[in-house]
Amino acid sequence: AQTVTQSQPEMSVQEAETVTLSCTYDTSESDYYLFWYKQPPSRQMILVIRQEAYKQQNATENRFSVNFQKAAKSFSLKISDSQLGDAAMYFCAYRSEGGATNKLIFGTGTLLAVQP
Amino acid sequence: DAGITQSPRYKITETGRQVTLMCHQTWSHSYMFWYRQDLGHGLRLIYYSAAADITDKGEVPDGYVVSRSKTENFPLTLESATRSQTSVYFCASRATGTGWGGYTFGSGTRLTVV
Repeated sequence: AQTVTQSQPEMSVQEAETVTLSCTYDTSESDYYLFWYKQPPSRQMILVIRQEAYKQQNATENRFSVNFQKAAKSFSLKISDSQLGDAAMYFCAYRSEGGATNKLIFGTGTLLAVQP
Repeated sequence: DAGITQSPRYKITETGRQVTLMCHQTWSHSYMFWYRQDLGHGLRLIYYSAAADITDKGEVPDGYVVSRSKTENFPLTLESATRSQTSVYFCASRATGTGWGGYTFGSGTRLTVV
């Protein structure tokens, strides 16, 4: 079974600085998707960025980028120029390509604080 | 355009009572999911459904029942609520087919069992 591990329960960053959130996963599959979701205090689940495992190029969305290391099964999220609105819980998630369930498997989350 | 709606947003119930959490989506997505979120555990899958009248267990199904008589509704019932079921519950949906995602989450129900 696939698992997702986030080893940093809490992180803190100064406004305008850069922070990296870690995520590792375990799978025997070769085709899959990886995601980072943001959950602000409103509880809304917001997709931040996604990565297809077959793509070697790291995904980027504005200030958010990932470092995808397929062999190491690592998928870290880098937030550049951190803003107060980035403060939230961040979840790393995995989904198999194909299969019957289409389910997302989540890590335990990292709570990010942004200091002014 | 409500998308996916969960109700109620907050619920307090007593141990042993039956409680139903509602989930309604407006897109006719085939797949629907129920997750529970607990500190230190992230989101864990309770049940999922691939289509109307097709449901299956996820990681933590004990004590929960689901049904899906219509594509747009996927209620979650706690048959006899226990304190360990105090949690935030999320419903999600996804269209069928391959591809990366298209998951949509409801805003969650915070359930407290006293």
